[in-house]
Parts: sequence; C-alpha cells; structure tokens
Amino acid sequence: DTGVSQDPRHKITKRGQNVTFRCDPISEHNRLYWYRQTLGQGPEFLTYFQNEAQLEKSRLLSDRFSAERPKGSFSTLEIQRTEQGDSAMYLCASSLAWQGPGYTFGSGTRLTVV
Amino acid sequence: AQSVTQPDIHITVSEGASLELRCNYSYGATPYLFWYVQSPGQGLQLLLKYFSGDTLVQGIKGFEAEFKRSQSSFNLRKPSVHWSDAAEYFCAVGILTGGGNKLTFGTGTQLKVEL
Repeated sequence: DTGVSQDPRHKITKRGQNVTFRCDPISEHNRLYWYRQTLGQGPEFLTYFQNEAQLEKSRLLSDRFSAERPKGSFSTLEIQRTEQGDSAMYLCASSLAWQGPGYTFGSGTRLTVV
Repeated sequence: AQSVTQPDIHITVSEGASLELRCNYSYGATPYLFWYVQSPGQGLQLLLKYFSGDTLVQGIKGFEAEFKRSQSSFNLRKPSVHWSDAAEYFCAVGILTGGGNKLTFGTGTQLKVEL
C-alpha cells in the first residue's frame, strides 16, 4: 500500500494557462474523490468517481474544470484558462465502495496562479 | 444541509498540557464524524472516526474524541500535548450521497504548542 499519490506537488502557472493534475489512488480502491482547499479553509468537495464513472460534481466545479478517470485507475483534473481564484490546494482521496464515509487523502497539489 | 463548526480558529497550549478542540455539527441523521490533522503544505491524515457504537473513540497519536448526540458535538482531546502535535486540525461530517460519500469539513483549528 503506497498510499494516494498526487503529481505535481506544486504548480505555478500564469493566468489564462491550462493545468492538469494527476492522482493515483490506492490500487484496489474503486472510489476516487477530488477536493479543493483554499487558504484558511477546510477542504471542499469537487467531484467523485466510482471506477471510471463520474457520479457527482459540485457546483464549485465550473465549466473550466474537467476531471477524468479512464479505466478506473488514475484520475486527472484539468483547469482551463486559469484564474487567480483557482489558487488552492487540490486534494485527491480514495476509498473502497463498501467502506462508508472517510477515506485516505494524498498530499495534494498546490496551485498558484500568477 | 450538513455543516461543521469549529469555534476556535487558533489555540495555543504548553507542551505537556491537556488539549481539547471543539467541534459542533449539524446533520439530520446519525452522522459519521472524523478528525483529520494537516501539517503545513501536506495532505490530511485521519486521526479517528466515529460511525456508531461506543461514543468515546480512540485514535492515533494518543488522541481521542467523544460523540455527544445531545450537544451535537465531537470534541477532540489529548491528555498531554507534544511539540510535534502543532498542526491544523479539521473536524468533518460524512454523508452518503448518490451512492457515494462526501465529507463536509469545518474551517479548522490551528494548534500552536509552546515549549
């Protein structure tokens, strides 16, 4: 069990650029979650997958955000035309479907939009 | 809708002193409750969780929490704080939704430990 892995750890981008983050869940976990954490706040739910199906998206996930989980393994979160308000820590988590609430988080990707 | 309140934004304690971090939740059904800890620039580590059963829950690193339904609280405690406990602590309530599980977090309590 190598835990949930996120890449990159840090990303600095210019406003208007596109960025993509990757999350590798714990290998047998079929559920994968994305959260966003802004400075001084707790994490907020963005979206989640069961296997390759994206089952729920928060209204926080604007049209500029897209998440995928091809083949039900790793997931990517893309932000198009980044804005300064997108600066945040993006956290990924995974779990087993039968596990109930509560899951293992990765170390996150810190995005800074300048 | 569910919500979590952590009334203390910052708490400072001396090393060796006892600690209690407050958490109040609002949720219409029996909640799933969690405490996570986050060191600077890091992800979240689960300290403990409550699903059902014994209302006093033991976690890692010597932490415990008590679920009090009558007070809608899930306070985190530690009898003797170590300098390495300095971090941010988040309380969360978990709900089942559309077959999945979402966590709603409080805004966190920043713990400072004085040597």
